[in-house]
Amino acid sequence: QKEVEQNSGPLSVPEGAIASLNCTYSDRGSQSFFWYRQYSGKSPELIMFIYSNGDKEDGRFTAQLNKASQYVSLLIRDSQPSDSATYLCAVRPPGGGNKLTFGTGTQLKVEL
Amino acid sequence: DVKVTQSSRYLVKRTGEKVFLECVQDMDHENMFWYRQDPGLGLRLIYFSYDVKMKEKGDIPEGYSVSREKKERFSLILESASTNQTSMYLCASRREGNYGYTFGSGTRLTVV
Repeated sequence: QKEVEQNSGPLSVPEGAIASLNCTYSDRGSQSFFWYRQYSGKSPELIMFIYSNGDKEDGRFTAQLNKASQYVSLLIRDSQPSDSATYLCAVRPPGGGNKLTFGTGTQLKVEL
Repeated sequence: DVKVTQSSRYLVKRTGEKVFLECVQDMDHENMFWYRQDPGLGLRLIYFSYDVKMKEKGDIPEGYSVSREKKERFSLILESASTNQTSMYLCASRREGNYGYTFGSGTRLTVV
């Protein structure tokens, strides 16, 4: 089992819809969770992080964490073509540590 | 604006050459990382460093070495470049605590 799993996609949504991206992780004691956006040919950029169970909202983005079920989600409301990118989920392992473990990413396509 | 700067955006090297990839951060971060990213394989950790002159192997250190003589600079060295080291190389830094990475813009290395 991979440590951090994401559906590779592509996930296609129409412009203005809600895009829902999911990530599951295997280490139950994982502490913190990050979502990165990566445009084709570019490096990843941090868009959201969440540490506690529940929801965290930032503009059109909402991160949802459920530690009991070991999943973290990213919702993008009012999706725009500029949101088309690959979204990477990253997890800080139990015990802290200096490294993050990344999923392989979900490709999102927002269609006009 | 805080930055992680990678010295080259694109590099073409010949098989057997010794290759140096440089990364500099201006955020006084303790931790620095080198990843390579390949289609379908995601981000794979090569080496990381949590302090000056300290280094630890990541998941795929074979064929690579690193140097961290100053806090702000972390260099990746390909001792004898091979075609299977053709990849996108990403440097990242992170400060201690519950924080994510800041990535550099990446170096696309082609070994011919």
